Amino acid sequence: SQTIHQWPATLVQPVGSPLSLECTVEGTSNPNLYWYRQAAGRGLQLLFYSVGIGQISSEVPQNLSASRPQDRQFILSSKKLLLSDSGFYLCAWNWGRESPLHFGNGTRLTVT
Amino acid sequence: SQKIEQNSEALNIQEGKTATLTCNYTNYSPAYLQWYRQDPGRGPVFLLLIRENEKEKRKERLKVTFDTTLKQSLFHITASQPADSATYLCAPLNTDKLIFGTGTRLQVFP
Repeated sequence: SQTIHQWPATLVQPVGSPLSLECTVEGTSNPNLYWYRQAAGRGLQLLFYSVGIGQISSEVPQNLSASRPQDRQFILSSKKLLLSDSGFYLCAWNWGRESPLHFGNGTRLTVT
Repeated sequence: SQKIEQNSEALNIQEGKTATLTCNYTNYSPAYLQWYRQDPGRGPVFLLLIRENEKEKRKERLKVTFDTTLKQSLFHITASQPADSATYLCAPLNTDKLIFGTGTRLQVFP
């Protein structure tokens, strides 16, 4: 069966510091991969998605970036965090159109 | 711009009753819509998918309707239980991506 791992679970970082969140999927190949952010009281905002290695689509202009160095690995990064980057970051995968999204357990990021 | 609206106020119901949650969308016509459940501090979990040519979909105690004329989906939980307490998110498809609503928190009291 497929599993998705996301780490760390919680993270407190000062403003201006770098960020790296990692997500890996096991038990499948060629998944579509997604990064979402959920701010308090707001819906899930799609940040990036990838349909293959090295293929990244950005949905929202921001100081975040994403990379997919391997088929089942998706990384969310920032060179300098802002206070507004605080939130609940969720990685997800699916097999494409009409396929349900499978989410990881998320990373709670607090930028201080 | 495309907009998805779910009741931001929590829905409080008594155990055994039917819970009905509403999802309204504007300015686009999704080919399908998905519903998810999210518990505090966890990622959402997929529940049901309903296509634009389907009026209703059922799964155990869950029922989803999709009215493309009203641009609305209703999510029903019959014989609700305290374990059904969670936030429920609707996600209509927008081109090739799911766009999520803010969710409605359901609280079922014994």
